[in-house]
Amino acid sequence: KAGVTQTPRYLIKTRGQQVTLSCSPISGHRSVSWYQQTPGQGLQFLFEYFSETQRNKGNFPGRFSGRQFSNSRSEMNVSTLELGDSALYLCASSPRGGDTGELFFGEGSRLTVL
Amino acid sequence: GQNIDQPTEMTATEGAIVQINCTYQTSGFNGLFWYQQHAGEAPTFLSYNVLDGLEEKGRFSSFLSRSKGYSYLLLKELQMKDSASYLCAVRGAGGGSYIPTFGRGTSLIVHP
Repeated sequence: KAGVTQTPRYLIKTRGQQVTLSCSPISGHRSVSWYQQTPGQGLQFLFEYFSETQRNKGNFPGRFSGRQFSNSRSEMNVSTLELGDSALYLCASSPRGGDTGELFFGEGSRLTVL
Repeated sequence: GQNIDQPTEMTATEGAIVQINCTYQTSGFNGLFWYQQHAGEAPTFLSYNVLDGLEEKGRFSSFLSRSKGYSYLLLKELQMKDSASYLCAVRGAGGGSYIPTFGRGTSLIVHP
């Protein structure tokens, strides 16, 4: 069974640009969550999608957005990039979300903003 | 809100035992997780505690005391491959608080 796949793995952008990251969850998993990981803040929750609906959102500015498609694949977008957006962006899937336990993480997309 | 505290870094010797502590303050509680993350890799699930007590899984054990807001991860017979970051995460109760909140992680360095 294939794991969570994130693309691209690495990317470099400049301030002001925008970026789109993609996540393909484990087959059959309907919940997809996104996290930002930085050395100083650890794993910070961005948002969670379930059946194409955003169910929860973390405390990030509106420049961060996402969506989920009917096949459960998800994308997140960051517009008007800032230096502080440099981070590892992790996607995690779970079968149902909500009352489920374990999250299955992808290896992340490492974004560097210059 | 939720507040999770764990040590930033720990060192230990191969073959030894190490205990990584995690304290938390949450509005409601619906489970505590431990994840392991090797450098450059995805976090992977280690354990889940929702009731008080010790859960043992091979060389790894996790303990929870809900009244004290306290958990620890115990690693026995340490191996070099156990060098990694260990993340404590707590899930609240009700509404969207089932989303786990992660601590900043404890970087464990195992020396030969």
